Amino acid sequence: QKEVEQNSGPLSVPEGAIASLNCTYSDRGSQSFFWYRQYSGKSPELIMSIYSNGDKEDGRFTAQLNKASQYVSLLIRDSQPSDSATYLCAVNWDAGGTSYGKLTFGQGTILTVHP
Amino acid sequence: DVKVTQSSRYLVKRTGEKVFLECVQDMDHENMFWYRQDPGLGLRLIYFSYDVKMKEKGDIPEGYSVSREKKERFSLILESASTNQTSMYLCASSRQGYGYTFGSGTRLTVV
Repeated sequence: QKEVEQNSGPLSVPEGAIASLNCTYSDRGSQSFFWYRQYSGKSPELIMSIYSNGDKEDGRFTAQLNKASQYVSLLIRDSQPSDSATYLCAVNWDAGGTSYGKLTFGQGTILTVHP
Repeated sequence: DVKVTQSSRYLVKRTGEKVFLECVQDMDHENMFWYRQDPGLGLRLIYFSYDVKMKEKGDIPEGYSVSREKKERFSLILESASTNQTSMYLCASSRQGYGYTFGSGTRLTVV
């Protein structure tokens, strides 16, 4: 059973701080990693994807991947109240092309950014 | 702007009814998925499809069926709706190796 675990949260940070969201996965064959943001009552929205070890930055967001440790994280710099949402980590493994792009999701971490 | 469109945002159905949830994508994606999302249970995969007329069961297929007659359309069917199928239903599509694009979701209530 392929599993994705996220830090349980909820996570509360003050406005302007760095929010750090963590995710571990069980399958060493995992190929692609994604972070989704989901506002209450809305559907998940893709905010970051990462495919190779290291950091990937996009505006205030940085995704970090360490395949040896089976660990992926999302850093949100200069957190804003509008960042308050549930963040979902998702992982795809491509077993010879038979996964059909199917993602395994973590349970999500609720982030609250307070003014 | 690429889109995944779900036909209904809110739906109320009676127990025992046959329910159709429709999903259309305009991105020419091969893969399409149906999930349900419930508080405390996260996203659970019901069915997915990797090509026209091809389908695979997900983690919780019981009580559901699907249809994919055209590449852009993936339908979820609740054969006989029950109250425990009250949930948020999310459709998604993707190209192999890339993340999903989700539809806006259908909140189904079965009474």
